[in-house]
Amino acid sequence: GAVVSQHPSWVICKSGTSVKIECRSLDFQATTMFWYRQFPKQSLMLMATSNEGSKATYEQGVEKDKFLINHASLTLSTLTVTSAHPEDSSFYICSASSGREPNEQFFGPGTRLTVL
Amino acid sequence: GQNIDQPTEMTATEGAIVQINCTYQTSGFNGLFWYQQHAGEAPTFLSYNVLDGLEEKGRFSSFLSRSKGYSYLLLKELQMKDSASYLCAPMDSNYQLIWGAGTKLIIKP
Repeated sequence: GAVVSQHPSWVICKSGTSVKIECRSLDFQATTMFWYRQFPKQSLMLMATSNEGSKATYEQGVEKDKFLINHASLTLSTLTVTSAHPEDSSFYICSASSGREPNEQFFGPGTRLTVL
Repeated sequence: GQNIDQPTEMTATEGAIVQINCTYQTSGFNGLFWYQQHAGEAPTFLSYNVLDGLEEKGRFSSFLSRSKGYSYLLLKELQMKDSASYLCAPMDSNYQLIWGAGTKLIIKP
């Protein structure tokens, strides 16, 4: 149980285009979903936290107009990287929590984004 | 501030035992997680401690001392597939996980 999927697994796009990444909890309802970014050999960096039906809470330094997050249902959250640039190239990982103790986060497999 | 301190890298031999230490400082505390992350992959859950003491799960055990802000992950009978980064992640009062850079464990034959 507690499976989280992400799509796509990897994507290559041209600078200036937008990319949408989907995160789905397959066998549980995720009251909270988290979006992380991880650069090579660095720690996970939390970008934003989203609760179903409400606006996402962004971490300091993360541009909410550039990284659009939608958590439309208890099983789906999307991250859209708008007007992507090469510096946005990274490993994007989502996680989901059911809200039940111990509030464990279940991670998706991640999406590797390369912006040319 | 919130802070995690783990060794950057450790090396161990196949079949041996290794202990990865973690000290932390957080605003409030709602337990501590250990995750394993292989290169290029997302983290996977290993263990959770919220009370002091040792939690054993197969070859992996995790220990917590809340008063000392200290935890360790103990890996026994090491296998080559255990080569990965190990992330200590305490949960703060907002139920948010605090992440450090993790410990890269290298297993040698």
